Amino acid sequence: QITLKESGPTLVAPTQTLTLTCTFSGFSLSTHGMGMAWIRQPPGKALEWLTLVYWDDDKRYSPSLRSRLTITKDTSKNQVVLTMTNMDAVDTATYYCVRYPRSDYWGQGILVTVSS
Amino acid sequence: QTVVTQEPSLTVSPGGTVTLTCASSTGAVTSGYYPNWFQQKPGQAPRALIYSTTNKHSWTPARFSGSLLGGKAALTLSGVQPEDEAEYHCLLYHGGSQGVFGGGTKLTVL
Repeated sequence: QITLKESGPTLVAPTQTLTLTCTFSGFSLSTHGMGMAWIRQPPGKALEWLTLVYWDDDKRYSPSLRSRLTITKDTSKNQVVLTMTNMDAVDTATYYCVRYPRSDYWGQGILVTVSS
Repeated sequence: QTVVTQEPSLTVSPGGTVTLTCASSTGAVTSGYYPNWFQQKPGQAPRALIYSTTNKHSWTPARFSGSLLGGKAALTLSGVQPEDEAEYHCLLYHGGSQGVFGGGTKLTVL
């Protein structure tokens, strides 16, 4: 059974750094071709693709957010961590981790609110 | 900045057929964009329907199908059911691995 779950703060102050963890089970990120992506969705708005880490630690970032994002993986812990710096109110969204390449399994999402 | 465009809204009658499309500002969508389609109902996480243009997941109902149509990715629903009313999102991978979502299509079954 494949599961993914996001964890982290649900309230972040403006200018602070957000750190979210995706803990997964039922597959290994060391498997060739496998990866994990982060996707977010502001309330009432469209999905936005953020970043992706591959099994070989290659990484991809959204060009518009590249300077603020870092994705890392810990294969032994079955975790992927997303870091986003300099948070702003427009970053308020539900953040999802999603298995790549088929985007078949999604976490439940975590709503992160940016507010002082 | 790459833009992916979907119809903002569509309406279909129960039992009817509807096609949703997904276009890229970079040009014609090909299989190399690995089009993905997702269904999202209010208050829920998106659910994957189609990957790599035409491939269904084990849970994808047979009435959903993916294709390329006129330079766009397409999702066709045949024999629409009331429970198909939802938001539908497409995802294209540009440059092989840079994902870009469309704005979503709100499908009404009426």
